[in-house]
Amino acid sequence: GQQVMQIPQYQHVQEGEDFTTYCNSSTTLSNIQWYKQRPGGHPVFLIQLVKSGEVKKQKRLTFQFGEAKKNSSLHITATQTTDVGTYFCAGFANFGNEKLTFGTGTRLTIIP
Amino acid sequence: SAVISQKPSRDICQRGTSLTIQCQVDSQVTMMFWYRQQPGQSLTLIATANQGSEATYESGFVIDKFPISRPNLTFSTLTVSNMSPEDSSIYLCSVEATKTTDTQYFGPGTRLTVL
Repeated sequence: GQQVMQIPQYQHVQEGEDFTTYCNSSTTLSNIQWYKQRPGGHPVFLIQLVKSGEVKKQKRLTFQFGEAKKNSSLHITATQTTDVGTYFCAGFANFGNEKLTFGTGTRLTIIP
Repeated sequence: SAVISQKPSRDICQRGTSLTIQCQVDSQVTMMFWYRQQPGQSLTLIATANQGSEATYESGFVIDKFPISRPNLTFSTLTVSNMSPEDSSIYLCSVEATKTTDTQYFGPGTRLTVL
């Protein structure tokens, strides 16, 4: 079945440093979505990428979808304490499977 | 955006008992989803609940263990039956954000501990 892996599993950064999480799918995706889950909270939708090679920005967050539509990345510039949480990518396989498969997640902690 | 509530928010249960989790949405939605999130882990889809039809279960999840009801377009329940400590998890319901996208809104979750 479809597998979506993320690296790293954990990341500890000093406040102000940059952070990147990488998402890799075993199958081609029709789109990639990113969610953020704060400690003790529930996943909150951040963004969706659909096109091959697409890049989108939300303030300090930059999202990329790979050319082959099998990988994606989330980059945060100058992290802040509000960025703490676990970041999940999620995607639908390109062969019509309607199940949204979540990645393994990257837990970000910020050292003030 | 849809507002989703879940009841209970948390519970501690004895093994062998059952717990029914309720999910209420403030607008009508076609598809509702139930996920399990074990401590420190990712989300795993249990089943998709469509109004007017039987729920569709993912591999590893069966109706006898996780019966689901979907009586209308704003409400669903998930029952965790004959619980064991391995069922200790957060259970989340979600809905599609809109009919034209496949992004999802999540409820606050139900934190279940089975002793």
